Amino acid sequence: GAGVSQSPSNKVTEKGKDVELRCDPISGHTALYWYRQSLGQGLEFLIYFQGNSAPDKSGLPSDRFSAERTGGSVSTLTIQRTQQEDSAVYLCASSLEGGGQGNQPQHFGDGTRLSIL
Amino acid sequence: GNSVTQMEGPVTLSEEAFLTINCTYTATGYPSLFWYVQYPGEGLQLLLKATKADDKGSNKGFEATYRKETTSFHLEKGSVQVSDSAVYFCALPAPGAGSYQLTFGKGTKLSVIP
Repeated sequence: GAGVSQSPSNKVTEKGKDVELRCDPISGHTALYWYRQSLGQGLEFLIYFQGNSAPDKSGLPSDRFSAERTGGSVSTLTIQRTQQEDSAVYLCASSLEGGGQGNQPQHFGDGTRLSIL
Repeated sequence: GNSVTQMEGPVTLSEEAFLTINCTYTATGYPSLFWYVQYPGEGLQLLLKATKADDKGSNKGFEATYRKETTSFHLEKGSVQVSDSAVYFCALPAPGAGSYQLTFGKGTKLSVIP
């Protein structure tokens, strides 16, 4: 499709399980971002990819969180041993390139709503 | 670091009313400024942007002017519609050479009633 695609749209899982969230960016976009949106924290930056490299992982909240990107395209965000505080909407965005005072707008997917029971 | 402060919601307006959502920023240099909109159940969409001082971004009847002297980027619309009901986020890039990470305001929920 033309936009950023995320799957699944909803995920309910038990505490302690691992989850994998997928993001398919807009074709040709070299930069990819993951954000987390939760009621108490608003929108938080998690990680940024330029191509397959992640120069900034500073937003990942703990070592249970990891992400990778392959072929300069699809990215997966993995959360291991999920906790209830991980419940949130995880948003992926992509842009043509990542630098330059943010002049390239970021295009967002509809997000994955993650609920940890 | 760079930050934005936007008015707290929720905001409830009648159809055809005038809308203002205030946003002020603190920034190193003069980064681009953005307004994003999130409709119920959807991700964020770019609504408009301005890349330098005195620029006016506009889209779908919404406008915002990049005001360096007041460090503001207020969102306005002359006549809102029910379909404008959504959450609106002011945003700017984090400082630094990369400037790729967006910093968002907390969002302002707008409800427009017929």
